[in-house]
Amino acid sequence: QKEVEQNSGPLSVPEGAIASLNCTYSDRVSQSFFWYRQYSGKSPELIMSIYSNGDKEDGRFTAQLNKASQYVSLLIRDSQPSDSATYLCAVNPGNKLTFGTGTQLKVEL
Amino acid sequence: EPEVTQTPSHQVTQMGQEVILRCVPISNHLYFYWYRQILGQKVEFLVSFYNNEISEKSEIFDDQFSVERPDGSNFTLKIRSTKLEDSAMYFCASSDTTGNTEAFFGQGTRLTVV
Repeated sequence: QKEVEQNSGPLSVPEGAIASLNCTYSDRVSQSFFWYRQYSGKSPELIMSIYSNGDKEDGRFTAQLNKASQYVSLLIRDSQPSDSATYLCAVNPGNKLTFGTGTQLKVEL
Repeated sequence: EPEVTQTPSHQVTQMGQEVILRCVPISNHLYFYWYRQILGQKVEFLVSFYNNEISEKSEIFDDQFSVERPDGSNFTLKIRSTKLEDSAMYFCASSDTTGNTEAFFGQGTRLTVV
């Protein structure tokens, strides 16, 4: 059973649109949830963290957490071509991160 | 802005040879990690390190692997006898006091075993 699941994509959105990325996790003891952005050949870059149920906004990014449904999402408003990357969902069930396979986002001009 | 630095950026080694990958974590961080990513696959946890000892390790982190903090700034991953399947990107990461907060990644070392 996969621990963190994401749709691999690619998810294509036009420039200026909202991109919606989703993630589910299986380990109920997880208390911390993160979204990383990874450009091809580069390292994961932390863009959002969320620890409690509800929404957390930072600039164009909004993370949403629903622990009862074991669901985390990331919304990117006003998507830009520079947002084209793979977005990794990560959960922290202890002293480590467990990653999903990532969703590839393509923002088209 | 503080960052995690890794050296070398790319290492090519022959099968059976030992390699040491080096990392300098963010200076006030106390939790250190190694992850790897095989090409086209997900990022996988290898080991976490706190207070000069391993706090958790994965099944991947077998007897061929070891970690060390030889001084106050460096954190190393040693692979004793490399195998072809060890070819991957290896990422070092660090986080601050609790270990349950945000982890920041270095730029990675691409290890190629031939």
